[in-house]
Amino acid sequence: AQTVTQSQPEMSVQEAETVTLSCTYDTSESDYYLFWYKQPPSRQMILVIRQEAYKQQNATENRFSVNFQKAAKSFSLKISDSQLGDAAMYFCAYPTGANSKLTFGKGITLSVRP
Amino acid sequence: DAGVTQSPTHLIKTRGQQVTLRCSPKSGHDTVSWYQQALGQGPQFIFQYYEEEERQRGNFPDRFSGHQFPNYSSELNVNALLLGDSALYLCASSFFSGTGGLKLFFGSGTQLSVL
Repeated sequence: AQTVTQSQPEMSVQEAETVTLSCTYDTSESDYYLFWYKQPPSRQMILVIRQEAYKQQNATENRFSVNFQKAAKSFSLKISDSQLGDAAMYFCAYPTGANSKLTFGKGITLSVRP
Repeated sequence: DAGVTQSPTHLIKTRGQQVTLRCSPKSGHDTVSWYQQALGQGPQFIFQYYEEEERQRGNFPDRFSGHQFPNYSSELNVNALLLGDSALYLCASSFFSGTGGLKLFFGSGTQLSVL
């Protein structure tokens, strides 16, 4: 069974600093996607970044980037120049099939100190 | 362009009652998935609807059922409510034949409290 593990329940970062959120997953598939979602207090899940497993290059979206280690099944999210609006819960997610369900980790609560 | 809309935003029910939650997908999307998110946990997949049929189902009892209408909107029904059904219920829409992985767009959810 596919699993997604986020072992850090909470993290804190100083405004303008960089923070890395960890995620590991387990799969027997060779071609897949990985996602990071942000859930602010409004509760709406917002897609932050997506990584295609067959691509060697790590995905980047403005201040957000990933460190994807396929052999280690590790998918961490780096947030640079942290802003107060980055405070939220962050979920790592893995889809089982191209158009099927997402399996989410338990999430990490990120707080940003001014 | 409206995103995914869910109603109601909050709901309070008592044990044993039945509840219906509603979802309108993002314009252009034809697939609706439902997730249950307990407090402090990640969302858990309930089921997915495409072409008015249930295509995938997670590990949820038959008390959880759904429906998709010709306009792609969807309902989630829960019968014989239990205290443990208290959670945030998220609806997500997508385009079934979309390439590039599963790009879900989520609504803001319905917070269900069972007393």
